[in-house]
Amino acid sequence: QKEVEQNSGPLSVPEGAIASLNCTYSDRGSQSFFWYRQYSGKSPELIMSIYSNGDKEDGRFTAQLNKASQYVSLLIRDSQPSDSATYLCAVNMNTGNQFYFGTGTSLTVIP
Amino acid sequence: DVKVTQSSRYLVKRTGEKVFLECVQDMDHENMFWYRQDPGLGLRLIYFSYDVKMKEKGDIPEGYSVSREKKERFSLILESASTNQTSMYLCASSPLLGTPLHFGNGTRLTVT
Repeated sequence: QKEVEQNSGPLSVPEGAIASLNCTYSDRGSQSFFWYRQYSGKSPELIMSIYSNGDKEDGRFTAQLNKASQYVSLLIRDSQPSDSATYLCAVNMNTGNQFYFGTGTSLTVIP
Repeated sequence: DVKVTQSSRYLVKRTGEKVFLECVQDMDHENMFWYRQDPGLGLRLIYFSYDVKMKEKGDIPEGYSVSREKKERFSLILESASTNQTSMYLCASSPLLGTPLHFGNGTRLTVT
């Protein structure tokens, strides 16, 4: 079983719609969770961090964490073509200083 | 803003060469990391360091070594490059355990 799993997609949504990205993780003791956006040929950039159960909102982005079910999600409201990218879920496992990344979900926002 | 700088954006090396990838961060971060990213496999941790002269193996350390002589600099060394080390290499840093990673721009290495 992979430590962090994401649906690879591709996920396509029309401009203005809500994009929903999901991620599950294996280590129940994990404490820190992150979403990164990666444009083609570029390095990952941090867009959201979440550490406790519930929702965290930042502009058009909302991260949701449910530790009991071991999943974290990212909602993108009013999706824009510039949101087209691969979104990586990262989890800092309780076992130490290692981050585990999912393989990413490719999102395309259609104008 | 945190700045993580990787010395080369693109590198082409021959099989058997010794290759040095350099990474420098300017925010006095304790932790530094080297990942490689391959299609379908995601980011895989090669080595990380939580202090000067300290290093820990990640998931795929074989064929690689690292050096951290100064806090701001973390070097990845391919002792004898092989074609299966063709990849995107990403350096990252973070201030404390559990805090977000900040990535450099990446080095795309091709070994022929």
